[in-house]
Amino acid sequence: GENVEQHPSTLSVQEGDSAVIKCTYSDSASNYFPWYKQELGKRPQLIIDIRSNVGEKKDQRIAVTLNKTAKHFSLHITETQPEDSAVYFCASGGSNYKLTFGKGTLLTVNP
Amino acid sequence: NAGVTQTPKFQVLKTGQSMTLQCAQDMNHNSMYWYRQDPGMGLRLIYYSASEGTTDKGEVPNGYNVSRLNKREFSLRLESAAPSQTSVYFCASSAFLTGTNTGELFFGEGSRLTVL
Repeated sequence: GENVEQHPSTLSVQEGDSAVIKCTYSDSASNYFPWYKQELGKRPQLIIDIRSNVGEKKDQRIAVTLNKTAKHFSLHITETQPEDSAVYFCASGGSNYKLTFGKGTLLTVNP
Repeated sequence: NAGVTQTPKFQVLKTGQSMTLQCAQDMNHNSMYWYRQDPGMGLRLIYYSASEGTTDKGEVPNGYNVSRLNKREFSLRLESAAPSQTSVYFCASSAFLTGTNTGELFFGEGSRLTVL
């Protein structure tokens, strides 16, 4: 089955700095790559996603890039703010109706 | 518009007891899922139902059973609870998307289960 590796497991940045989280996947048939944010004690929520026919997607301060050849994708957060502090999960999915998640990255933005 | 509702929110069981987690969605989604979340392990898929009338195993199905009661409801049953099943359980639903068959997952608030 699909295997998704996510790095780093923890990331601490200063407010205003950028944060980058990277994921690799194993199944070449995967074609959908979402990112979820989970605040402490809350449910995961989708923040951005990308499909395999697109190399990059941006939504205000967040962006995702995809390299299908290398089977990796990344989340970029610019101008980080304390409210960006959360656990971020990458995921990979395809035609089998299910998503496989990475183990998560705890992002801490220090004021 | 409740989205995905799961019950109970908290439950403490003794080893060997059984229980059912209930999940319902009001977004007319075809697919429903049960995940468990453990520290450092991310979200792991237990079972899923791509559409009404079908269920399939995920990564960690052992010790669990599911029922897709109708399009809205998808329940998860622990027949004989074990301490290793102590976890936070999330139900989720999604609509079909052309070309991928997966779309945004909408999660419930989670159910925290402790097995003593």
